[in-house]
Amino acid sequence: QSALTQPASVSGSPGQSITISCTGTSSDVGGYNYVSWYQQHPGKAPKLMIYDVSNRPSGVSNRFSGSKSGNTASLTISGLQAEDEADYYCSSYTSSSTLLYVFGTGTKVTVL
Amino acid sequence: EVQLVQSGAEVKKPGESLKISCKGSGYSFTSYWIGWVRQMPGKGLEWMGIIYPGDSDTRYSPSFQGQVTISADKSISTAYLQWSSLKASDTAMYYCARPPRGQLVPFDYWGQGTLVTVSS
Repeated sequence: QSALTQPASVSGSPGQSITISCTGTSSDVGGYNYVSWYQQHPGKAPKLMIYDVSNRPSGVSNRFSGSKSGNTASLTISGLQAEDEADYYCSSYTSSSTLLYVFGTGTKVTVL
Repeated sequence: EVQLVQSGAEVKKPGESLKISCKGSGYSFTSYWIGWVRQMPGKGLEWMGIIYPGDSDTRYSPSFQGQVTISADKSISTAYLQWSSLKASDTAMYYCARPPRGQLVPFDYWGQGTLVTVSS
């Protein structure tokens, strides 16, 4: 089971919108609505930003939104802010073997 | 308030054994799964496995099956990750994390991480 595929880096200017893609297979992203997104700042634990494809936990800014089409999920950050600069990881439940959960390769978001 | 508090950083030699811990508080420890996630230096997140402290049902990623042991002591609300013989390649940050009740995913609460360094 390979990690889900994300672009290594995405950048944008303050106020702009950016989208991070996350490509998997029909055994994970495409087969279940259990895609999540995590934000990780340097030296910190990951933080859940989106769950079940498009739901935001309490306290997460509505500038963060998620979607899915086929085997690809996406995270969009609108109104980009300096504090959004971090690593972002997608993840999905998977039916592959005994592996239950797979993470993406990670995307470094840079605010220019 | 839900908290997952992990044990402190460890420095070990290859071949040594190690057991790190994750203590849950602020919720019913036996009613939620707890998982472990590895992050090697400068690398991404890897799902290692998960345990249900209520009945010790444990699932492992094929990549970690046989390499580590996940356990829990519900009497002290603590989950563990252990190695019997460490390798240099086990050097990483290890996080415990908890999904919502009755679910295996996603992880909505995380521990602060335990840094394990294995070096001769």
